[in-house]
Amino acid sequence: VQLLDSGGDLVQPGGSLRLSCAASGFVFTDYAMSWARQAPGKGLEWVSSIRANGGETYYADSVKGRFTISRDNFKNMLHLEMNSLRVEDTAVYYCASVGAYGALFYWGQGTLVTVSS
Amino acid sequence: DIQLTQSPSFLSTSVGDRVTITCRASQDISNYLAWFQQKPGKAPELLIFATSTLQAGVPSRFSGSGSGTEFALTISSLQPEDFATYYCQQAKSYPYTFGQGTKLDIK
Repeated sequence: VQLLDSGGDLVQPGGSLRLSCAASGFVFTDYAMSWARQAPGKGLEWVSSIRANGGETYYADSVKGRFTISRDNFKNMLHLEMNSLRVEDTAVYYCASVGAYGALFYWGQGTLVTVSS
Repeated sequence: DIQLTQSPSFLSTSVGDRVTITCRASQDISNYLAWFQQKPGKAPELLIFATSTLQAGVPSRFSGSGSGTEFALTISSLQPEDFATYYCQQAKSYPYTFGQGTKLDIK
């Protein structure tokens, strides 16, 4: 199993960014996927999840209405579209596969998003 | 939202010690609880899911227990590579939540 996160960058407050996660080594279409993040020196925070068929999505209150999770099951890709970015969105963002009992089984290496003027 | 409270937040321990970290949920989460280990600069790694099922490749010195609202991660004999930060995570309902973490330091 391999998950490769990309797309992190330095962006100004109010800006937008699109994160991607390339999945391989497992049947991508069988698994829900999630994004989690970790602000510098802080703990883990779940951000969003999407069902295997993309039919249902879920968001943390802190990002609802600003972030959109999506997946391309033909290309084995997961995305996170982030709009109206705030300083407090600064974090390393990880994609993860969701397995039995909702556990986040496999994680990407993370991609750093810095929101600063 | 379901809150998870881990204790302790920090623990100074020694190689060979038996360590127990607890995770308390604000409501019944059945056995939808997982434990992760994270080392500095690295992504978290799954240790245990469904409260007590060891992820493939995880050493047997790690074990999980509990149900409902009270859970525990036990390391039977600490090894040098176990000094890290540990998190619990609930997946009973959205939004998923993590505990605040427990950092194990070398005494």
